[in-house]
Formats: sequence, C-alpha cells, structure tokens
Amino acid sequence: GDSVTQMEGPVTLSEEAFLTINCTYTATGYPSLFWYVQYPGEGLQLLLKATKADDKGSNKGFEATYRKETTSFHLEKGSVQVSDSAVYFCALSLNTGGFKTIFGAGTRLFVKA
Amino acid sequence: SAVISQKPSRDICQRGTSLTIQCQVDSQVTMMFWYRQQPGQSLTLIATANQGSEATYESGFVIDKFPISRPNLTFSTLTVSNMSPEDSSIYLCSSRGTGGDEQYFGPGTRLTVT
Repeated sequence: GDSVTQMEGPVTLSEEAFLTINCTYTATGYPSLFWYVQYPGEGLQLLLKATKADDKGSNKGFEATYRKETTSFHLEKGSVQVSDSAVYFCALSLNTGGFKTIFGAGTRLFVKA
Repeated sequence: SAVISQKPSRDICQRGTSLTIQCQVDSQVTMMFWYRQQPGQSLTLIATANQGSEATYESGFVIDKFPISRPNLTFSTLTVSNMSPEDSSIYLCSSRGTGGDEQYFGPGTRLTVT
C-alpha cells in the first residue's frame, strides 16, 4: 500500500548548521508530496509542496525536490535557526481513494543556540 | 488557505463520559477530516466528513464511539463517547484546500481522560 518513511529523530543541530531530513515514499499512482511542520502546542502547518516529478517546493529557506526515480522528497535548509525547532512530517496525497493524505512518523528537530 | 478553529482547546474528562469537539472553518470546504495524535506520534485518520453524507470511518474506528456531524460546509463536530483513559490524545480537525490537495489543520484539542 501507499506509505511514507522518514528518518527517525530527534535530530539535534547547532544554529546555522545544515539540515537534511530524509523522506521516501511508496505510491501506486502519481502523488503530490508535502512537508508539514508542527510547532509545540499547535496544529500542523503546510511548509512546502511539490505536485510532479522534478518540482522543487520551497518556503522559509526550506527546500525539497520531488525525485520520482528515487521516490524521495528530502527536506533541506542551509542554515537552521532556534525557531525552526519543531516536528516535521513528510506526507503524500493521491487524488483517489477518498483523497486521503498519508503522513510519515514525523521527525523532531532541536536547534541549539 | 483556510483558518480552522477548534473548541475546546483542552479538557480533562472522567471515564464513561462523552466530549464533543467543534471545528469551524473560515471558508466553505467540501472535505473535512478528523485525526488523532498520540503524544510524540504521527497522525491517525479517524474519519472523513463530507457535507450531506455519512462520515467515512477508517479501520479501527466506529460511528458509535466517534459520531461525527457535518451540518454545513464550514462546521463539523466529533464526539468521543464513553471515554476511557486510552482515548487521551490530541484530536485534530483538518480541511482540504479548494482546488488544491494540501490540508489545513486546527490547533487541536488535548483530551485527558481520568
């Protein structure tokens, strides 16, 4: 079945370090791919998305490229800040089967000053 | 985008009672979703609620335990019935963007059952 696998956390980085959170997916169709972020005590927010192969989603310095050949959508940021500390969820959505979104397990990021 | 509010934001309830969670969207949306999130865990879809039809429940969730109403295109409720401590969780309401496939989430309702 359709699924999303992302790297386990927590990930702890110093401020201004480079961030990569790996995400791979399995899907029978052609999904849209997303990264959502959840700050402490809040709901999820859409961070970025990509709807087709080779698309790059970007927002707030974060980027992810839809790689169909490797079924991946890795999240990157060149220089993290303390305010980026949150849980990051990779997700996919197929416009079939009830239009459901499938979420990864989430990766918690801690950024130290 | 859509702005979603939920009430209550948190509650502490006794075993055997029921709690109804309200979800309000600031625009008309076709699809609304209810999720459960255990602490430190990912989201588990409870059901999909479309206006004018019965909610569609995921495996492991039943209408008697989690009745859902969807009276119009901006509002939904989820009731957690006959609660037990295992129902302690965060419950999230979500809607799907019109014309897009991203989802928008409410801030969640933190439920503790004692």
